[in-house]
Amino acid sequence: KAGVTQTPRYLIKTRGQQVTLSCSPISGHRSVSWYQQTPGQGLQFLFEYFSETQRNKGNFPGRFSGRQFSNSRSEMNVSTLELGDSALYLCASSLSGNTDTQYFGPGTRLTVL
Amino acid sequence: AQKVTQAQTEISVVEKEDVTLDCVYETRDTTYYLFWYKQPPSGELVFLIRRNSFDEQNEISGRYSWNFQKSTSSFNFTITASQVVDSAVYFCALSEGYGQNFVFGPGTRLSVLP
Repeated sequence: KAGVTQTPRYLIKTRGQQVTLSCSPISGHRSVSWYQQTPGQGLQFLFEYFSETQRNKGNFPGRFSGRQFSNSRSEMNVSTLELGDSALYLCASSLSGNTDTQYFGPGTRLTVL
Repeated sequence: AQKVTQAQTEISVVEKEDVTLDCVYETRDTTYYLFWYKQPPSGELVFLIRRNSFDEQNEISGRYSWNFQKSTSSFNFTITASQVVDSAVYFCALSEGYGQNFVFGPGTRLSVLP
């Protein structure tokens, strides 16, 4: 079974731009969660999608948004990028939600200049 | 609010030593789930174990073992006879249920020296 895939793996943007990251979950998994990892804040929950609906959102500004498609693939978008948005963005999929085992993708390394 | 504490920021051991990574959690729920993940230098988080709050049995998987104690809100992880390949950052995490936040601890960086 193929694992969670994320594209692109690396991204360099400048302040003020926007970015879209993509995540393809494991086949059969309906829940996709996104996390931000930085040296200062560690791993922080961004949001979770289940059956195309956002089920929960972490404490992040509205510049961070996401969506999920009918095939469970998910995208997250960050608008008006700030230097502090530089991070590793991890996507995880699970069967039904985050009480199930979540399997993580390799991440997208975003650098904002 | 839920919280996970991993008091050990970094641990260094010599190969073949046993090492225990501590995890203390806070939650007001009676039903919750605890996890351990490993993040090697490659960056991808690797699942190690999932445990629900009603199952306090300790678990052993090869060189890995976990000690879950609700009385002290701890879920500690022991690696027996450590190997260089065990070098990684280890995260303990907590989930209180579907639709709830998933909270990671700050992680413990383990270095196993040859």
